[in-house]
Parts: sequence; structure tokens; C-alpha cells
Amino acid sequence: GAGVSQSPRYKVAKRGQDVALRCDPISGHVSLFWYQQALGQGPEFLTYFQNEAQLDKSGLPSDRFFAERPEGSVSTLKIQRTQQEDSAVYLCASRARGPYEQYFGPGTRLTVT
Amino acid sequence: SQQGEEDPQALSIQEGENATMNCSYKTSINNLQWYRQNSGRGLVHLILIRSNEREKHSGRLRVTLDTSKKSSSLLITASRAADTASYFCARSGANSKLTFGKGITLSVRP
Repeated sequence: GAGVSQSPRYKVAKRGQDVALRCDPISGHVSLFWYQQALGQGPEFLTYFQNEAQLDKSGLPSDRFFAERPEGSVSTLKIQRTQQEDSAVYLCASRARGPYEQYFGPGTRLTVT
Repeated sequence: SQQGEEDPQALSIQEGENATMNCSYKTSINNLQWYRQNSGRGLVHLILIRSNEREKHSGRLRVTLDTSKKSSSLLITASRAADTASYFCARSGANSKLTFGKGITLSVRP
């Protein structure tokens, strides 16, 4: 079946612009995660949804970052007034119910100029 | 902050040799997972080992877990050029999120 998809795959934004990154999880997966991966580093947790409820947003670096999953399926990560330090790959992952493995999308590479 | 630490940071071996990668962590876990990432692509799940397990196999992969030492190792036997990638261990605690290390870059020379 289809895996996790993300769009766009690449995004270039001028500093100060707002961006929206989309994640389509695997159908039926209850849990959805967002991670940020800087160049040469491992992914770092941003936020976690179970269905439409955002259960953990402790990893969001500032109040410029906002995520939603209004119908418990597709999720959007929004970054307002982008800064150069926001440049990274943003990874989305979904997971079936339970403490199982997460399935990752290909990521969105954000470059802020 | 990243609480999983892998070593070595980089590993270069000849095709056919075994590759051993190590991971240490600092806090308690529900399970520990290993992922592979090819350049410019997403992460692929390799294997999950629960905190009450000590060893697990999947094809050419063998993972061990020592909760007393808070460490895990990933062994890839009979390596192939296609195994060239970055490998990450990720700790899963009670809060569901994964905490990754910085990764190990494996190069397998044909």
C-alpha cells in the first residue's frame, strides 16, 4: 500500500515568509509525528498527534511553529516568519496503534534564504 | 537534545565483511529501534527490540540490547555495497516519541 507522503519535497522561502508543509500518513494510522533534521544530525522530535489530538508539542522550537491534524488524517506543519535557522529537512512519520515502528515520509527540505 | 549516542561516527568496510554499530542511551526505554537513511531520503525502519528482549534477528541484521548498560548494538553480516547509508538508533520511551542519535555513516566498498 501507499506509504507516508509529504509535499512539497523542496521549499525555498525568503526570510520572513510563512510556509506550510503537508503530510499524508498511511491510511488508518492513528499516530502522526513531525521531526526536524538538520544537516548531518539525527531527527529531532517536534510534535505528536493521536488522531486529531495534539498530545505532545514539547519539541516545537518556538511559537512560530504550529501543527494541526483537524480530521485525524492529513497534517500540516506551519512555520510563520521563517528564519535561516529553520532550514532543515522536516520529516513526518505515522504509526499504527501501539508501541510499534514509525513509518517515515521522504521529508520536505526547507531552505530559508 | 539527542540522547542516543552511536559509535563509531563513521565506518568503512569491504563488501562481505561484518559491520558492528553501537548505541548508548541515558534514560529508560520501552523499546529501541534502528533506522537506515540513504542520502537525501527518508528513514527506513530496520528492527525494533523491546526492553525485555536481549537479542533479535532479521535477515542479515542482529540487534542486541543490554538495559543494565543502557546500550545496544546492530550487526550487519556479509555487508553489501547497497548497505551504504547512515544508521540511527532511536529510543522510544513512555511518551511515544523517538529520540535519535546523531547517526553512523557506513560505507561498504565493492
